[in-house]
Amino acid sequence: SQQGEEDPQALSIQEGENATMNCSYKTSINNLQWYRQNSGRGLVHLILIRSNEREKHSGRLRVTLDTSKKSSSLLITASRAADTASYFCATGVAGGGNKLTFGTGTQLKVEL
Amino acid sequence: SQTIHQWPATLVQPVGSPLSLECTVEGTSNPNLYWYRQAAGRGLQLLFYSVGIGQISSEVPQNLSASRPQDRQFILSSKKLLLSDSGFYLCAWSPDGNTEAFFGQGTRLTVV
Repeated sequence: SQQGEEDPQALSIQEGENATMNCSYKTSINNLQWYRQNSGRGLVHLILIRSNEREKHSGRLRVTLDTSKKSSSLLITASRAADTASYFCATGVAGGGNKLTFGTGTQLKVEL
Repeated sequence: SQTIHQWPATLVQPVGSPLSLECTVEGTSNPNLYWYRQAAGRGLQLLFYSVGIGQISSEVPQNLSASRPQDRQFILSSKKLLLSDSGFYLCAWSPDGNTEAFFGQGTRLTVV
């Protein structure tokens, strides 16, 4: 079963706009990670936020984590056409050994 | 530096034939290894993960099995493929379940 559920499933924006994706999960976690996947390729790690952190930045990326609501958001600022991809959240489950479970993903399309 | 190799990139197999997908990691020791399957336009389903040689955890009972005969080698197998085994198979490694995972480029399997 999927640990995480991303929302929305698909998002289409204009270049220069901000894109926000949300992830909800079910169990206690050690960390939450965001990945990017270009069509037909492997996933690339973007950012990791630990369960005791509330916000993290990396370049144009901003991630927040609310463990009380079991949710996270990924904000991409000033989007570019090259940001077009699918974005997934993944959770390292507390007490789950080394299992890494992914959500269903958000397909982002950035148009010129 | 660490690298992950996954092959083949594409595979077309008839129903009832066997399957063997191989994944190897270089430049690290005792990695956590993962096999995921991704249906078209969907999220990643964790199939198997391994924390050491001969240690395999199965997440979804199905027509597939995994083995780890060497520290940095992870093999996904089937004795008889089903149509429902078609999908995009991704191998990944991580130092542990609490840090980022690194993905191979994937194998697109079509069972006909």
